[in-house]
Formats: sequence, structure tokens, C-alpha cells
Amino acid sequence: DAGITQSPRHKVTETGTPVTLRCHQTENHRYMYWYRQDPGHGLRLIHYSYGVKDTDKGEVSDGYSVSRSKTEDFLLTLESATSSQTSVYFCATESTGTSKGEQYFGPGTRLTVT
Amino acid sequence: GENVEQHPSTLSVQEGDSAVIKCTYSDSASNYFPWYKQELGKRPQLIIDIRSNVGEKKDQRIAVTLNKTAKHFSLHITETQPEDSAVYFCADHTGGGNKLTFGTGTQLKVEL
Repeated sequence: DAGITQSPRHKVTETGTPVTLRCHQTENHRYMYWYRQDPGHGLRLIHYSYGVKDTDKGEVSDGYSVSRSKTEDFLLTLESATSSQTSVYFCATESTGTSKGEQYFGPGTRLTVT
Repeated sequence: GENVEQHPSTLSVQEGDSAVIKCTYSDSASNYFPWYKQELGKRPQLIIDIRSNVGEKKDQRIAVTLNKTAKHFSLHITETQPEDSAVYFCADHTGGGNKLTFGTGTQLKVEL
């Protein structure tokens, strides 16, 4: 599982509050990704990072921001949580070279916004 | 943007039968096609993949085929077992953007 952990694993929060999810990896992979998973939509990319301090938007980035201050950690922040952000959030990492494209997922964070 | 269509959305087979899941993609620059298996409440796990310079790849009971001309690829599971029951996702990867685009998933149920 590429040594990927996510915290917290479960969180319930109220509408309008800020929330930060953490992804930590021990594999020294260059690329890191945040996805959300909702029924009927599969996995949709929120933001991704191709190196320390280098990030870019995915297809569903509105309402989310990210930061990557060191290789091991990729943070996802919901500035002001809304009920539409209730979802399961997965972090993933990807190496380079011959393994390019192979993404490995963390265990996920179930977020409920009430 | 890139689009990946996956069919069927649900698939029920008898134990021992074969299962086939198909995906089509739109970006001709796509060069890597992984398949993930996700059991209930668990993370997606990479089970097999294929790169664009190969037409077929097999790993025990699972195989993936790729038709670049038609822009579709398929997952084949033979001799299905109850533990194959899960949601399966296809994806494609465009080298330039270094991103995966996922299909919407197939719920496979293997019945005894």
C-alpha cells in the first residue's frame, strides 16, 4: 500500500467550518493526489502535486485548497465545509520512471458535513 | 477534458463463469490503462495494468486487452470466485498531464 496513511479516518463537522485532511507517505513518491468518491461518480480528482510546493487543480477543485511543504505530506483543506462535500476522500501517490502512472491509494477519510 | 466510459455498471455472474468489463476513452494520447478493485469500505487496489505498446496482458485469472484503434480496453476475469465480488474501476493516463481519469465503476457480484 505504498506506506500511505490518512488522518483523520472519520470526521463529522458542521457546515461553514474549516476542515483539513492529511495524507502522509513514506515511499518518497514525487506525485500525490486527492480524490473524492461519491456513488455514481467513481473517483474524481480534486487537486494534485508534482513536487514540493507544486500543485495544480483537478476536475472538482472548487471549495478546496491544498498544500505540500515537504515530500511526505499533502494537505487538503475545505475552507468552509458544505453538505455537498460530504464524501469519502482518498489520497494517492505515484512514482516516476518505469512505474509512471501506477497510483497507490491511502485508506480513505470519510467526511460528513451536517 | 478526457472521458472514460465504463460498462456495465453492475454485473452478476455464477461462480466459475467469466466476467468482462469494458471501457472506452477519448484521448488518443492516453498511454497507460490500469484496473482497480475496491472491496466494500476499502481502498482501491491496483490489480492489473497495460501500456499502449502492448495488446494484451494476463495475470493468472485476470487479463486486460487494449484496442488503441477503437480506443477501448477490457478486463477479463475467468473462473470467477466469490472473493472477486467488488467494484472494479478502469482508468486511463495521459503522459502529459500525469493524471488518471477513472470510469464510474462496475459492481461485480459472483453468486454461488
